Amino acid sequence: DIQMTQSPSSLSASLGDRITITCQASQDILTFLNWYQQKPGKAPKLLIFGASNLETGVPSRFSGSGSGTDFTLTISSLQPEDIATYHCQQYDALPYTFGQGTKLEI
Amino acid sequence: QVQLQESGSGLVKPSETLSLSCGVSGVFMNSSYWSWIRQPLGGGLEWIGYVHYSGSTTYNPSLESRVTISMDTSKNQLSVKMTSMTAADTAVYYCARQNYDSRNGYNRLDPWGQGILVTVSS
Repeated sequence: DIQMTQSPSSLSASLGDRITITCQASQDILTFLNWYQQKPGKAPKLLIFGASNLETGVPSRFSGSGSGTDFTLTISSLQPEDIATYHCQQYDALPYTFGQGTKLEI
Repeated sequence: QVQLQESGSGLVKPSETLSLSCGVSGVFMNSSYWSWIRQPLGGGLEWIGYVHYSGSTTYNPSLESRVTISMDTSKNQLSVKMTSMTAADTAVYYCARQNYDSRNGYNRLDPWGQGILVTVSS
């Protein structure tokens, strides 16, 4: 299985901060990577697909980049509604696997 | 708007079989793959497997010996059964559409159901 490692596991930030979360794959996955946002008690919601494509309706302060084994999710200016856990997921090979999640707090 | 809703027993005894359903609205199921994913409380996400409208299935090897995923297109519903449940299987179980774009190679889980908590306890 492809192992996905996110860092940090948790992050405390202030409103307006620029936030970067990283995701590292145990092998080359090209750009076959998605990012999801999960608010407490809710299901994950797709944010970014194909490493850098913003899902329709997602605010432009979110962006994704990377290819191969190293990926980043960036929030350009943290808003209160961005408090959530963020998960990366690879779809280069079965079984699909997720990072352990990054919990973002204020 | 595509919506998914899980249903089934939230309490399963050890060694018994989990049975969950997922109702799909807003789209005909014969257009996608459909996945099940689970998440232990406070834990990460684990993909369980998916079913294609043709009936073909693919499972996570870690669970393959215990899992069966199926779909009923006449009811617009998919299902999962997992045998020999233990406390380690306690988790929130989600269904989701495997939204695959063959032209670009994009493959994303979207949307998700709201999830159902399954507790394994006697």
